[in-house]
Amino acid sequence: GAVVSQHPSRVICKSGTSVKIECRSLDFQATTMFWYRQFPKKSLMLMATSNEGSKATYEQGVEKDKFLINHASLTLSTLTVTSAHPEDSSFYICSARGAGWNTGELFFGEGSRLTVL
Amino acid sequence: GENVEQHPSTLSVQEGDSAVIKCTYSDSASNYFPWYKQELGKGPQLIIDIRSNVGEKKDQRIAVTLNKTAKHFSLHITETQPEDSAVYFCAAYEEEDDYKLSFGAGTTVTVRA
Repeated sequence: GAVVSQHPSRVICKSGTSVKIECRSLDFQATTMFWYRQFPKKSLMLMATSNEGSKATYEQGVEKDKFLINHASLTLSTLTVTSAHPEDSSFYICSARGAGWNTGELFFGEGSRLTVL
Repeated sequence: GENVEQHPSTLSVQEGDSAVIKCTYSDSASNYFPWYKQELGKGPQLIIDIRSNVGEKKDQRIAVTLNKTAKHFSLHITETQPEDSAVYFCAAYEEEDDYKLSFGAGTTVTVRA
């Protein structure tokens, strides 16, 4: 299957700082990437859909100024958690679908665990 | 929008026995149903999927069945092994819904040695 890489896998930051998480498709061009948030023992909650070259589409209740998403190339999307607070601590996961794929098949990154002190 | 329900939430089986996880979906337009395995601290990994034009699909010890009329689909794992212990998520996808997947709540499977 296709490979999606996330970096960093773990990050600890102080309250009030910003943190950037990268999601890369390593062996395919990803026209669409999705960002999810997962709380312990819970399912994945879609935060936003990121399309290359255009603004991200955020799900209801997700603050777009808090969670900045950039999809500047066909292989890279970034999620920046701005002015992080302890309640932003979570497991963040991205997924990607390739250009020309005509099914719902998605490949997921390994996730990034954010801890805000 | 699509609503996917998954049962059971936890499942404990003896090594060698079978495990079955069931999901129902609400949107009859959904046409793609993947299953993901998530190990602790990792992202979900696609293990098998089925499309709406097929009733059953098998890959070694894993099989998935789909009943479009009843709008439910199931994951079957036979001859379970300790390495099958993980959280399993079902999902449903409707082509017209901007390629979004709707996930079930997950099933924590524990295989006892």
